[in-house]
Amino acid sequence: GENVEQHPSTLSVQEGDSAVIKCTYSDSASNYFPWYKQELGKRPQLIIDIRSNVGEKKDQRIAVTLNKTAKHFSLHITETQPEDSAVYFCAASLLSFGAGTTVTVRA
Amino acid sequence: EAGVAQSPRYKIIEKRQSVAFWCNPISGHATLYWYQQILGQGPKLLIQFQNNGVVDDSQLPKDRFSAERLKGVDSTLKIQPAKLEDSAVYLCASSSKFQFLGQSNTGELFFGEGSRLTVL
Repeated sequence: GENVEQHPSTLSVQEGDSAVIKCTYSDSASNYFPWYKQELGKRPQLIIDIRSNVGEKKDQRIAVTLNKTAKHFSLHITETQPEDSAVYFCAASLLSFGAGTTVTVRA
Repeated sequence: EAGVAQSPRYKIIEKRQSVAFWCNPISGHATLYWYQQILGQGPKLLIQFQNNGVVDDSQLPKDRFSAERLKGVDSTLKIQPAKLEDSAVYLCASSSKFQFLGQSNTGELFFGEGSRLTVL
């Protein structure tokens, strides 16, 4: 089955700086890669996704890049704000999630 | 639009007891997922339904876990008997995306608030 690894497990950034989270996957047949944000005590919510026929996708301060050859994809958050503090999960299809990255934005 | 409803929100039981969780997806969503989220880990898929049929239950511990979606709407996940390692949040999610045979899963998941299980 699919195996997704996510790094780092924790990330602390200064407000205004960028944050990058990386994920690798094992199944070359996977073609859909969503990112979910989970604030403390709340349900996960989709923030961005990318399909395998696209190399990069942006939505305001958030971007995701995909390298199918290397089987890895990354989430980039620019100009971080305190409300970006949360746990972020990557996934390959909807069947396998990474372990999560706890992002803390320092004011 | 109403979100995914789950109950109970919290449940504490002793090992070897049984427990059941209920989920009502967003109206019209054909696909329903149950995930187990252990503290500090990502969601792990337990079972996926499409309407009232099971699409994937390969990671469901069938000796103790069972799930059903008899009428293709709401769903129940049962654990019997519970073990200490079953302590987790059980998340239900639904999607409007219909998965055709041979296609991988795509589309936005709408999660419920989860049912937190503590097994003592």
